[in-house]
Amino acid sequence: AQRVTQPEKLLSVFKGAPVELKCNYSYSGSPELFWYVQYSRQRLQLLLRHISRESIKGFTADLNKGETSFHLKKPFAQEEDSAMYYCALSGYNQGGKLIFGQGTELSVKP
Amino acid sequence: GAVVSQHPSRVICKSGTSVKIECRSLDFQATTMFWYRQFPKQSLMLMATSNEGSKATYEQGVEKDKFLINHASLTLSTLTVTSAHPEDSSFYICSARSRDKGRRNTEAFFGQGTRLTVV
Repeated sequence: AQRVTQPEKLLSVFKGAPVELKCNYSYSGSPELFWYVQYSRQRLQLLLRHISRESIKGFTADLNKGETSFHLKKPFAQEEDSAMYYCALSGYNQGGKLIFGQGTELSVKP
Repeated sequence: GAVVSQHPSRVICKSGTSVKIECRSLDFQATTMFWYRQFPKQSLMLMATSNEGSKATYEQGVEKDKFLINHASLTLSTLTVTSAHPEDSSFYICSARSRDKGRRNTEAFFGQGTRLTVV
């Protein structure tokens, strides 16, 4: 079965501290992994997708197929990073639907 | 990025009535649209996948007679909650994807969501 697990509901760090939001997945094939972010009172928007291997707003995520993980990292958190972060999976040949993890609320304190 | 507009953003209806929510892709043609439901402080739960001109594919446990989905054009999908009950109160979100020239799915763009309250 397809599943995305984000074990932390809330992650609270101080400004300038490193941050890692965990994401593990379960999928029998080769999935496509994404991180979406939802800032307060705004719609969900794409942050990263693993195939592009980009760094957006200082965030990076590496797909580790051995550990079935796609953790989101940033070396120095900023207050404006405070938001809900969702890890999502899209399976090959499944019409593009996304399966979301439970979400992690990141709170960056001054 | 591309824009997906959802309307209305908020609706209150009486128990037993039906409510229609629209999802439009404003500047691109959406080959596929998706409908999600989100409970407070919880994740997005996929309800159904909608392809233009064909019947929607519902996820397990989602009543297709209760949640009617129509994808009449490449830019519009509608979700109708029929005979609404208080337990249908939730946040409903649509998203849309298209395909690039290599027929790969582009990123999903999300609507702003609709807060449905059934009283």
